[in-house]
Amino acid sequence: GAVVSQHPSWVICKSGTSVKIECRSLDFQATTMFWYRQFPKQSLMLMATSNEGSKATYEQGVEKDKFLINHASLTLSTLTVTSAHPEDSSFYICSARGQTEYGYTFGSGTRLTVV
Amino acid sequence: KQEVTQIPAALSVPEGENLVLNCSFTDSAIYNLQWFRQDPGKGLTSLLLIQSSQREQTSGRLNASLDKSSGRSTLYIAASQPGDSATYLCAVTSNSGYALNFGKGTSLLVTP
Repeated sequence: GAVVSQHPSWVICKSGTSVKIECRSLDFQATTMFWYRQFPKQSLMLMATSNEGSKATYEQGVEKDKFLINHASLTLSTLTVTSAHPEDSSFYICSARGQTEYGYTFGSGTRLTVV
Repeated sequence: KQEVTQIPAALSVPEGENLVLNCSFTDSAIYNLQWFRQDPGKGLTSLLLIQSSQREQTSGRLNASLDKSSGRSTLYIAASQPGDSATYLCAVTSNSGYALNFGKGTSLLVTP
C-alpha cells in the first residue's frame, strides 16, 4: 500500500535554531500534502496544505514565515520550523493524498522538542 | 466550521469485551469518514474508511457504521485484546482532496 516516510522521527534543538522535517511518498505521487500539529492530549490540527509546484495554503493563526513549506516534487514535501521556540515543541505529522480516492496516508510523525 | 467530537475520551476494559467508540460531527455534508489508530508517539494507521454513500465498513474484528444524516459514526471492536490498546481517532473530510477534521480521540486500554 501507499507509504509516506517522515524524517526525523524526533529532534531536539536549541531555541532560535531551525529544523527541517521531510515527508516522502515512496510508492505514489503525492499531489497534495497536509501538515498537522498535535499537542499532548489534543487532536491533530491542520497547519497548512501544499500542492506540488505551488505555494502552501496556511490555516488561520499559523505563521507562514515561521513554518516554511516546500513541495517541490510529487514525492517530497518539507516543513521547516524557523527560529524555533519552546512553544513550538509538538508532534508534527504529514499526510499525503495521491491519485486514489481512498483516504489519506500519514507519515510516522516527528516529535520536536525545543530547549 | 466542522467540529468532531469523540466519546468517551478514555476507556478501560478487560480483555475479551466488545466495545463501542462514538464519533459525532456537526456538519453532515461530509465526503467520507475515516477511523485511525495512533500508538503513543507514533503516526496514524488507517483502520476503516467509509464513503458518504456507505453505511458501514468491516475489517476483521472492527466494524464502523455511519449515519450521515444524524452526524454520527461508531467503531465497534469485537473481542478486545491488549494489543488493541491505543488512541482511536475519527476524522471527516468535506470534499475529495480536502484535509481531515479530527476528533480528540478515545484512549483505549484493554487489560489482560
